[in-house]
Amino acid sequence: EDQVTQSPEALRLQEGESSSLNCSYTVSGLRGLFWYRQDPGKGPEFLFTLYSAGEEKEKERLKATLTKKESFLHITAPKPEDSATYLCAGSGNTGKLIFGQGTTLQVKP
Amino acid sequence: DAGVIQSPRHEVTEMGQEVTLRCKPISGHNSLFWYRQTMMRGLELLIYFNNNVPIDDSGMPEDRFSAKMPNASFSTLKIQPSEPRDSAVYFCASSFWGRDYNEQFFGPGTRLTVL
Repeated sequence: EDQVTQSPEALRLQEGESSSLNCSYTVSGLRGLFWYRQDPGKGPEFLFTLYSAGEEKEKERLKATLTKKESFLHITAPKPEDSATYLCAGSGNTGKLIFGQGTTLQVKP
Repeated sequence: DAGVIQSPRHEVTEMGQEVTLRCKPISGHNSLFWYRQTMMRGLELLIYFNNNVPIDDSGMPEDRFSAKMPNASFSTLKIQPSEPRDSAVYFCASSFWGRDYNEQFFGPGTRLTVL
């Protein structure tokens, strides 16, 4: 059964304190690994798609990487506005997105 | 583009009542997805359409749930009769079916409360 697991569930950082979020996946025939950001009361907002191991993508203070078993979302020198829930999802042979439970990030000034 | 539009944003109803959620996808997108999000189960796919045709409804929890897409710019998710355990946030998402077809764009959601 396809599965996506994210860790930690919650993460508190001081402004400027870099860290990484983990997404482990077992998805048959992975076609893409997706990262979304979700703010309270809003729908998930698309961030990145990664298609193959070794691929990296960056956007502002965020960088996503992919290996054959997991993906990382690195946050460099975060700011309070980076506080949100970050969702990881895999898409495989079924064509459906399988979402993890998310990591809730809080960045304190 | 206005993005994916959902209505209503909030719905409070009593057990046994019929509930209809509405979605307008992004113009030009040909795939539409209905999700449900709860604290316990996270984000779950209920059903998705490709070119207005239902492709996979295996996530629809019970026969009380039904979804339609009569045209490329409109879809509904209906719950009849509603139950308290249906309380959740329901999201609609759309994408363009192609290499990147799963870059789905989500609407703001409908928060459903069944009393």
